[in-house]
Amino acid sequence: GAGVSQSPSNKVTEKGKDVELRCDPISGHTALYWYRQRLGQGLEFLIYFQGNSAPDKSGLPSDRFSAERTGESVSTLTIQRTQQEDSAVYLCASSLDWARAKNIQYFGAGTRLSVL
Amino acid sequence: GQSLEQPSEVTAVEGAIVQINCTYQTSGFYGLSWYQQHDGGAPTFLSYNALDGLEETGRFSSFLSRSDSYGYLLLQELQMKDSASYFCAVRRRDDKIIFGKGTRLHILP
Repeated sequence: GAGVSQSPSNKVTEKGKDVELRCDPISGHTALYWYRQRLGQGLEFLIYFQGNSAPDKSGLPSDRFSAERTGESVSTLTIQRTQQEDSAVYLCASSLDWARAKNIQYFGAGTRLSVL
Repeated sequence: GQSLEQPSEVTAVEGAIVQINCTYQTSGFYGLSWYQQHDGGAPTFLSYNALDGLEETGRFSSFLSRSDSYGYLLLQELQMKDSASYFCAVRRRDDKIIFGKGTRLHILP
């Protein structure tokens, strides 16, 4: 596709439910990133993939969060047993290659998650 | 700690020049990036400094001084459409990506 696509754009869920957020990166981009952005705040780096490998998962906020990626395409961020504190916009970005120092990231429009 | 500090808000007049500063307390990073984000929109890449000095891209310029742990984004000939939040970001050598909390730029007519 022309850009990074995320779905759903909005998700309202009840506390305790699981949610799955999807990201389709730009075709040919080997690196993929997930961020969390709370209202009026900066971007909180969660995890990155180079291909389908995530070398460092320490940025995930808790063990309720997990992410996977199929090859060099779609990635899903799963939040289990959602809590109200998980309410935020979850942004996905992709870039040509993680190894490049000048790592221009192209962002999707995000998924706005509201946990009631 | 490892952080990037930016002013929370800056106000300037249409047609003027504005500088948004970013000071950091992190050692060992590849370069300093700047992103723009309009309300409700996705961040978009503006500029990157790998080395000390000034990088110019049209109306936008960015500066980095590693010795001073400081960088800035300079916006010239401000237009109303430049009203947005601006974030500085680094990728540390341990591969963590750190974003500042962002500077909201208000432009007055």
